[in-house]
Amino acid sequence: GNSVTQMEGPVTLSEEAFLTINCTYTATGYPSLFWYVQYPGEGLQLLLKATKADDKGSNKGFEATYRKETTSFHLEKGSVQVSDSAVYFCALSLNTGNQFYFGTGTSLTVIP
Amino acid sequence: DAGITQSPRYKITETGRQVTLMCHQTWSHSYMFWYRQDLGHGLRLIYYSAAADITDKGEVPDGYVVSRSKTENFPLTLESATRSQTSVYFCASSELGSGSSGELFFGEGSRLTVL
Repeated sequence: GNSVTQMEGPVTLSEEAFLTINCTYTATGYPSLFWYVQYPGEGLQLLLKATKADDKGSNKGFEATYRKETTSFHLEKGSVQVSDSAVYFCALSLNTGNQFYFGTGTSLTVIP
Repeated sequence: DAGITQSPRYKITETGRQVTLMCHQTWSHSYMFWYRQDLGHGLRLIYYSAAADITDKGEVPDGYVVSRSKTENFPLTLESATRSQTSVYFCASSELGSGSSGELFFGEGSRLTVL
């Protein structure tokens, strides 16, 4: 079947620390991969995406590389800020029908 | 403004009452979705629609009804609200199919409390 597994939180980091949130997936086809971010009291927003193997998505200092050989799409940022505090969701889409699959979300808190 | 809007943003109701959450998108996306978000469960798909007059069940459809008479609107109705339906509800839309990246666009959410 299709599914997304991401590391459980919550994660607490000091400002300027390095961030990694792990995400692995299983898929029957050739998915597109996404990271969504949800700030407190808001809806989910697309953070970055990658549509094929070896693509790197990047935005706001965050990066993730689509690794087909390890079925992973880990989110990284070199230096987090307090404003990065949010819940991060890894997701995949098979680009047909209702086939979106979300991880359970990882809550990140960055302290000054 | 272009985008996807939900209303109401906050709603408190009582057990047994009917509640309708509205969702409107201006992109003319074919697909629309309703999710609920609960602690420990992440996002769970309630219903989705591939086009006007085409709807289908998701993972947790019981107790909910949807309709889609127009492409831009996708209301979600709780016919007889229960406390277990206290949640945050998100509407989303997408233009799926070949040639698209399959990105979902979300509304800001509707926080429903059933007393």
